[in-house]
Amino acid sequence: QITLKESGPTLVQPTQTLTLTCLLSGFSFTSEQVAVGCVRQPPGKAPEWLALIYWNDAEYFSPSLRRRLTITKDTSKNQVVLTLTNMDLVDTATYYCVRGTVEGGFDYWGQGALVTVSS
Amino acid sequence: QSALTQPASVSGSPGQSIAISCTGTRSDVGGYNSVSWYQQHPGKAPKLMIYDVTKRPPGVSDRFSGSKSGNTASLTISGLQAEDEADYYCSSKMTPNVVVFGGGTKLTVL
Repeated sequence: QITLKESGPTLVQPTQTLTLTCLLSGFSFTSEQVAVGCVRQPPGKAPEWLALIYWNDAEYFSPSLRRRLTITKDTSKNQVVLTLTNMDLVDTATYYCVRGTVEGGFDYWGQGALVTVSS
Repeated sequence: QSALTQPASVSGSPGQSIAISCTGTRSDVGGYNSVSWYQQHPGKAPKLMIYDVTKRPPGVSDRFSGSKSGNTASLTISGLQAEDEADYYCSSKMTPNVVVFGGGTKLTVL
């Protein structure tokens, strides 16, 4: 059974850095040749794609957030870590880990982690 | 990057067919066969319903179908059922290697 599970803080102060960990189960980068990344969804709004990292280490980012994002993978732990710096109130959203590619869409989603930015 | 344009809402009666449009540009919808559609029920994560414009993942009902003409993609749901009531989002690859989502459409089954 393929699952992705997000873990991280539920509350972040403005200007702090969000670190979101995605633990993968039921598949691995090397065997599936897929990508894993993050999509966020502010309350009541549409999803917004943030970043993807591929099995071959290729990385792709949302142009509007590129300067604030990093994404790394640890194949030995089967996890992906996303960081978003300089958090602001407008970054309040549910953050989802996703499996998929730029071309083929996202076939598996985590349950989501609500991150609230507030002082 | 600008979001793809979807109607805010559509509605239909059980058994009817409805279509949801997703309009972009030559840099996204029109330039690639990489349109996906997602269904989202309240409080749940989005679910992939269509990918590569017309393909259905395993387990997705064949009442759901996708198409594209020029810069506009469409999701058609036939034989509308109460359980289809949800929010629907399209997404597309955009030049150079970016994913862009639509603003979403709320489907109401009357």
